[in-house]
Amino acid sequence: QKEVEQDPGPLSVPEGAIVSLNCTYSNSAFQYFMWYRQYSRKGPELLMYTYSSGNKEDGRFTAQVDKSSKYISLFIRDSQPSDSATYLCAMRTLNTNAGKSTFGDGTTLTVKP
Amino acid sequence: NAGVTQTPKFQVLKTGQSMTLQCAQDMNHNSMYWYRQDPGMGLRLIYYSASEGTTDKGEVPNGYNVSRLNKREFSLRLESAAPSQTSVYFCASSEARLAGVEQFFGPGTRLTVL
Repeated sequence: QKEVEQDPGPLSVPEGAIVSLNCTYSNSAFQYFMWYRQYSRKGPELLMYTYSSGNKEDGRFTAQVDKSSKYISLFIRDSQPSDSATYLCAMRTLNTNAGKSTFGDGTTLTVKP
Repeated sequence: NAGVTQTPKFQVLKTGQSMTLQCAQDMNHNSMYWYRQDPGMGLRLIYYSASEGTTDKGEVPNGYNVSRLNKREFSLRLESAAPSQTSVYFCASSEARLAGVEQFFGPGTRLTVL
């Protein structure tokens, strides 16, 4: 069983929809929770990260962490065609040599105009 | 600032050939990483380096070697390429404080092994 499982998708939504992207994990030692966005044929880029539990908002993006359920989510409000990309969740423990992190397999999102 | 650069962008090899993928960063980061990305499989860590002079195995190190040449450069070598190593390879770097959390990725190298 993988340490990090991500809803596989693909996901297709109309412009303006609210999008929910989700990951579950099994390692209770994970403390940092990240969301990366990867456009086609490009390297991933960090969208946002959360330390421990709770919510974090950045513009149209909200990250939620529920450590009791080992479940994290990324919500995108008022989705735009420019949000079409693959979204990768990633996680890291507090004490790790060099900062090894574990990635989910990614969810591909298409926002249709 | 160029960020993280990788060369080459594309490469086609025959089974058994060797090659080195180059990576350099200009952000003065301590940590550097090599990942491979296969369709539907996310990013898998091959090797990483916490600082100049140190390297450690990641999740899928077999068939690869690395060299942390200096603080800026981290190379990945395939000694005898196999078709199973056909993939997209990404190099990344992080500063010490957010090592592994805020990773900056290069544009990738698309490798095909025939």
